[in-house]
Amino acid sequence: GDSVTQMEGPVTLSEEAFLTINCTYTATGYPSLFWYVQYPGEGLQLLLKATKADDKGSNKGFEATYRKETTSFHLEKGSVQVSDSAVYFCALSGSGGGADGLTFGKGTHLIIQP
Amino acid sequence: DTAVSQTPKYLVTQMGNDKSIKCEQNLGHDTMYWYKQDSKKFLKIMFSYNNKELIINETVPNRFSPKSPDKAHLNLHINSLELGDSAVYFCASHPGPNSPLHFGNGTRLTVT
Repeated sequence: GDSVTQMEGPVTLSEEAFLTINCTYTATGYPSLFWYVQYPGEGLQLLLKATKADDKGSNKGFEATYRKETTSFHLEKGSVQVSDSAVYFCALSGSGGGADGLTFGKGTHLIIQP
Repeated sequence: DTAVSQTPKYLVTQMGNDKSIKCEQNLGHDTMYWYKQDSKKFLKIMFSYNNKELIINETVPNRFSPKSPDKAHLNLHINSLELGDSAVYFCASHPGPNSPLHFGNGTRLTVT
């Protein structure tokens, strides 16, 4: 079945550091890929998405490129801020059809220190 | 305007009780879901409803029963609550294949 693997956390960085959170996936067909962010006490918010190979999703300074050859969708940001502290989830759309929902990675807790 | 709303936000109850969580979406989406997030933040799909029909049930105990009175609502009823049911439950919806899910803010259930 489909699966998503993310780097284990927590990831602790200093403000203005460069961020990479690795995400690789296993899926049949051609899934869409997503990054979600969860701030403390809140629900998941869509951060960015990519629907086909070589697409780059971007939002709020974050970006990720859909790499079919390496089955990866790594999240990057050039200069993180304290307000970026949150849990980040990589996800893919179900290959079985629209009602399968999304398959999520286990989440990466990001901590940004001032 | 809130797109996906859940109530209550917090629910504290004792073992053996029966409780319900309500969810409503005003996005006009056809498909709604319930996800469970454990203490390690792992998200697991529980149910999917498409136009009021249950599509998948990921080996969830039958103490959990989704109820959808119309396509804008998907409630979750839980019978005979157990300690292991303590978690955050998220409702979500989406318009169709390969589209992102829209999540509610979650219901934190604590069973004592």
